[in-house]
Amino acid sequence: EAQVTQNPRYLITVTGKKLTVTCSQNMNHEYMSWYRQDPGLGLRQIYYSMNVEVTDKGDVPEGYKVSRKEKRNFPLILESPSPNQTSLYFCASSLIPGLIETQYFGPGTRLLVL
Amino acid sequence: ELKVEQNPLFLSMQEGKNYTIYCNYSTTSDRLYWYRQDPGKSLESLFVLLSNGAVKQEGRLMASLDTKARLSTLHITAAVHDLSATYFCAVDPGTYKYIFGTGTRLKVLA
Repeated sequence: EAQVTQNPRYLITVTGKKLTVTCSQNMNHEYMSWYRQDPGLGLRQIYYSMNVEVTDKGDVPEGYKVSRKEKRNFPLILESPSPNQTSLYFCASSLIPGLIETQYFGPGTRLLVL
Repeated sequence: ELKVEQNPLFLSMQEGKNYTIYCNYSTTSDRLYWYRQDPGKSLESLFVLLSNGAVKQEGRLMASLDTKARLSTLHITAAVHDLSATYFCAVDPGTYKYIFGTGTRLKVLA
């Protein structure tokens, strides 16, 4: 089954404790992206990647890191989480934008930073 | 700065009625996407609109794109309860960054 998976689905942590949210897709997509969803703000793009070893900032990259060492994986790293990073996070993938293609979203990771 | 605005933000409507959700964006883009999100769930793609005048229909939903007016509409015909969800539009201005609207939360009352 074609899908985007994220782990963990729910996470409670404390300020400053490094964490990683994994994202994996099995559709051989070049493009992968991370978003955060907050009430009243819609989805905002954190980082995106056009292919292996190619990443770039979205609109809200501060406090986040990403890496793309393999085509299927795109982990999101919070080196020192803060309470304002409490949010619902979605990973998405697609073929290269510009083709007739939409993004496929993972199930989401709900993060609470105390 | 590219902005994508949706209105209304909230919409409560009776079953059987018609209504339109509007998505305005502030810069040139030939590609616009509509997504649906059910409560507590992820986003599901509804439509991809790729050119001026594009119109797509699926069931009771019809989406259109006017790139000159920088406007897309999502029209709901004879609403049913199953259409209750949050609807997002998103724009790709050709920079490989996606900008989403804030969403329209639709509630269809029986």
